[in-house]
Amino acid sequence: EAGVTQFPSHSVIEKGQTVTLRCDPISGHDNLYWYRRVMGKEIKFLLHFVKESKQDESGMPNNRFLAERTGGTYSTLKVQPAELEDSGVYFCASSQLRGWPDTQYFGPGTRLTVL
Amino acid sequence: AQTVTQSQPEMSVQEAETVTLSCTYDTSESDYYLFWYKQPPSRQMILVIRQEAYKQQNATENRFSVNFQKAAKSFSLKISDSQLGDAAMYFCAYGLYGNKLVFGAGTILRVKS
Repeated sequence: EAGVTQFPSHSVIEKGQTVTLRCDPISGHDNLYWYRRVMGKEIKFLLHFVKESKQDESGMPNNRFLAERTGGTYSTLKVQPAELEDSGVYFCASSQLRGWPDTQYFGPGTRLTVL
Repeated sequence: AQTVTQSQPEMSVQEAETVTLSCTYDTSESDYYLFWYKQPPSRQMILVIRQEAYKQQNATENRFSVNFQKAAKSFSLKISDSQLGDAAMYFCAYGLYGNKLVFGAGTILRVKS
């Protein structure tokens, strides 16, 4: 069974540019989460999809971040325009809806560098 | 708000010896889950062990075991017979069923040969 995949693995962009990150969850996982780790700090929650609906977006830092999950499969996270403080590693995780045990499986992350 | 604290930024252990990583958390919930995730230098985060708060028995997975003290809100990870492959960043995390995880800052574990 394929794990959670993320694309790209690295992205280097200039301040003001746009970047789109993609996450493909494990097949059949309706829960999809985005997290971010800014250098040296905790991994912080960004948002949670249940299928195509946003269940919790309390962690989204501001309106420069837009997440979508059309069709309830893969998800994209767009940052527009990117700022220096957006640099970090963006993780995606997925889990089964009402699954047991309730375990989130993580992707390898996308390392975003904003110059 | 729930918080998770890992007070050890770095730990070292000799190969074949035992090391314990500390984690404390704060919550007003009674039914929750605790996790230890491992992130090797290759960056893929892997679940090491999980504990359901309603279970009194400490979880174990081969060489990995936890000491879960619910009243003290403590959840430490013990790694026995440490191996070079155990070298990684270890994250402690707290979660409610079907909800986001709250992570600690992580502990870098170095294993010396």
